[in-house]
Amino acid sequence: DTGVSQDPRHKITKRGQNVTFRCDPISEHNRLYWYRQTLGQGPEFLTYFQNEAQLEKSRLLSDRFSAERPKGSFSTLEIQRTEQGDSAMYLCASSSPGPPVDEQFFGPGTRLTVL
Amino acid sequence: AQKITQTQPGMFVQEKEAVTLDCTYDTSDPSYGLFWYKQPSSGEMIFLIYQGSYDQQNATEGRYSLNFQKARKSANLVISASQLGDSAMYFCAMREGTAGGTSYGKLTFGQGTILTVHP
Repeated sequence: DTGVSQDPRHKITKRGQNVTFRCDPISEHNRLYWYRQTLGQGPEFLTYFQNEAQLEKSRLLSDRFSAERPKGSFSTLEIQRTEQGDSAMYLCASSSPGPPVDEQFFGPGTRLTVL
Repeated sequence: AQKITQTQPGMFVQEKEAVTLDCTYDTSDPSYGLFWYKQPSSGEMIFLIYQGSYDQQNATEGRYSLNFQKARKSANLVISASQLGDSAMYFCAMREGTAGGTSYGKLTFGQGTILTVHP
C-alpha cells in the first residue's frame, strides 16, 4: 500500500494558463474525492467519483474546472484559464466503502500558485 | 449556516498535559459520522479518530478520544499526554447521509484549530 499520490506537488502558473493535476488513489479504492483548501481554511469538497462515474460536483466547481477518472483508476483535475483566486492546495482522497468508518485517505496535495 | 464549527483558532498546551479541541456540528440527518484529522505543516491530512452517530460509546484511539455529546451536537477531541509532535492544525469533519443518502460520503470540514505544544 503506497498511499494516495498526487502530481505535481507544486505548480506555479500565470493567469490565463491551463493546468492539470493527477491523483493516483490507493489501488483497491473505488471512491475518489477532490477537495480544495485555501490558506487557513478547512478543505472544501469539489467532486466525487465512484469508479469512473462522476456522481457529485460542488457548485464551487465552475465550468473552468473539469475532472475525469478514466477506467476508474487515476483521476485528473484540469483548470482552464486560471485565475488568481484558484490559488490553493488541491487535495485528493480515496476510500473503499465499508462500515463503519469509510475513512478517506488523503494525498499530499498539489499546491497551485497563480501569478 | 456552518455545518462544522471550531471556535478555537489556536490552542496552547504544555508537553505531557491533556488538551481538548472543540467541535460543534449541525445536521438534521439521523445518520452521520464525525472525523478528526491532523494536518502538520507538511500538508498531508492524517486521520485520527471516527465517531458514528449511532455509536453508544465514545471513540478512543491511543492518546486520542472523542467526547461525543449528541444532544449538544458536539464532538470534542481530547489529546492526552501531549507531545511536541502533536503541534499541527486539527480539523473536525462530518459525513452526512450515509444511510442510503446521496451525499456519497463527502466530508464537510471546520476551519480548524492550530495546536501548539510547548516543551
